[in-house]
Amino acid sequence: DTEVTQTPKHLVMGMTNKKSLKCEQHMGHRAMYWYKQKAKKPPELMFVYSYEKLSINESVPSRFSPECPNSSLLNLHLHALQPEDSALYLCASSPRGVQGNEQYFGPGTRLTVT
Amino acid sequence: GQQLNQSPQSMFIQEGEDVSMNCTSSSIFNTWLWYKQDPGEGPVLLIALYKAGELTSNGRLTAQFGITRKDSFLNISASIPSDVGIYFCAGMNYGGATNKLIFGTGTLLAVQP
Repeated sequence: DTEVTQTPKHLVMGMTNKKSLKCEQHMGHRAMYWYKQKAKKPPELMFVYSYEKLSINESVPSRFSPECPNSSLLNLHLHALQPEDSALYLCASSPRGVQGNEQYFGPGTRLTVT
Repeated sequence: GQQLNQSPQSMFIQEGEDVSMNCTSSSIFNTWLWYKQDPGEGPVLLIALYKAGELTSNGRLTAQFGITRKDSFLNISASIPSDVGIYFCAGMNYGGATNKLIFGTGTLLAVQP
């Protein structure tokens, strides 16, 4: 099973709202990732969690706040977003420490900021 | 951020034709991955390559890890309409603190029935 699930599928929020994106995997992977993707562009890395600790923050604005409650769950908390933050937000996971550290992506959350 | 050069940018072909696309980098990688992405969905892993010179197949798809470790190729034989989508290559150097993927710019494939 190589499934990463994400909820919600679609989200529309105003610039003053607070919302959260959720990601879950049950593959025993110990690295989890958040990416942002604009139309017809490759995914852009935002955050990396390794063994439930934040290991990379790609200079993401503080209006995006990641959280990793346990090894299977990854959240992205959103607050005071801008219209230019509208994009497809992808979660991914990968195993750690062994060959075959390929990343498996979820279906994404389509976010629209109005 | 850094991106890999992927070509062609787009391809419009007839059903049944073979397809080739490639990805080049200025730096070496020890892993090459190929993904396919349908509109509004997440990328799906097609093939993973771990050794220079490695040739790996997945059904009608064949990918190769370039001998210089700076490039990779993906071939699709006998294309069908469901092959439509954007194909991304990605390079990675596993074994570090994180497994950061460097993506190619993508190849948009359209297949005419």
